[in-house]
Amino acid sequence: AQSVTQLDSQVPVFEEAPVELRCNYSSSVSVYLFWYVQYPNQGLQLLLKYLSGSTLVKGINGFEAEFNKSQTSFHLRKPSVHISDTAEYFCAVRETSYDKVIFGPGTSLSVIP
Amino acid sequence: NAGVTQTPKFQVLKTGQSMTLQCAQDMNHNSMYWYRQDPGMGLRLIYYSASEGTTDKGEVPNGYNVSRLNKREFSLRLESAAPSQTSVYFCASSTSGYGYTFGSGTRLTVV
Repeated sequence: AQSVTQLDSQVPVFEEAPVELRCNYSSSVSVYLFWYVQYPNQGLQLLLKYLSGSTLVKGINGFEAEFNKSQTSFHLRKPSVHISDTAEYFCAVRETSYDKVIFGPGTSLSVIP
Repeated sequence: NAGVTQTPKFQVLKTGQSMTLQCAQDMNHNSMYWYRQDPGMGLRLIYYSASEGTTDKGEVPNGYNVSRLNKREFSLRLESAAPSQTSVYFCASSTSGYGYTFGSGTRLTVV
C-alpha cells in the first residue's frame, strides 16, 4: 500500500532564506506526485505536480520540486521565502492506475520576519 | 467561477444527531472526493466517486454514507454523529485525478 512521509512537522525559517520541505513515499508502481498548500482557515490549493517527463517541476509562487525515483522522494524547495509563504504544506501521491490520492501528514512552514 | 462549494461552513451537533454535508462543483469534473482533516494526520479519504452513479470507500468510511446525486453534487451523511467525527471535512473534485480542486471546508464539532 502506498504511503507518504513528511519528515518535518514544523519548519521555521527566516524571511528571504531558502527552504526545503521533505517528502518520501512508498509505492512499488508508477506514481503521480503533488504538493498542496493550505493557508489558515482555507482549503488546499495545488502548488505543483509531477506526472511524467522532467524530474524538476516548477509551481506557483516560486516553488519547485524534484522527483527522485531511486530515493522515492519529492522534496519541495524555494530559494527565498516570504512572510506570505507561512502555511501548511502537504505532499501527496497517486498510483497512475488508481484514482485515489494519499496525503502526507503535512509540514507547517513558519516564516520569521 | 465558484469551483467547489461546500455547505455549511460550520456545524455543531449533539452525539447521535444526523446531518448531511453538501458539495457541488461547476467544473464538469468526473471525480469527487470527501476527506477529513485532523491535526497531525493530514487528509484521510472517506469516500470517493469516480463518476456519476458510482461510489467507493476510502481509508475511513465507517460512520459515513455518500450520494453522488448527479455529476455536480456529492453529499456526505453522518447518520449518528459521534465525538470522534469532530473534524474539518473537505470536498474535492478532479478530472482523472491530475490534481484536485478543494472546497473551503466544513468545520464540524460533535458534543
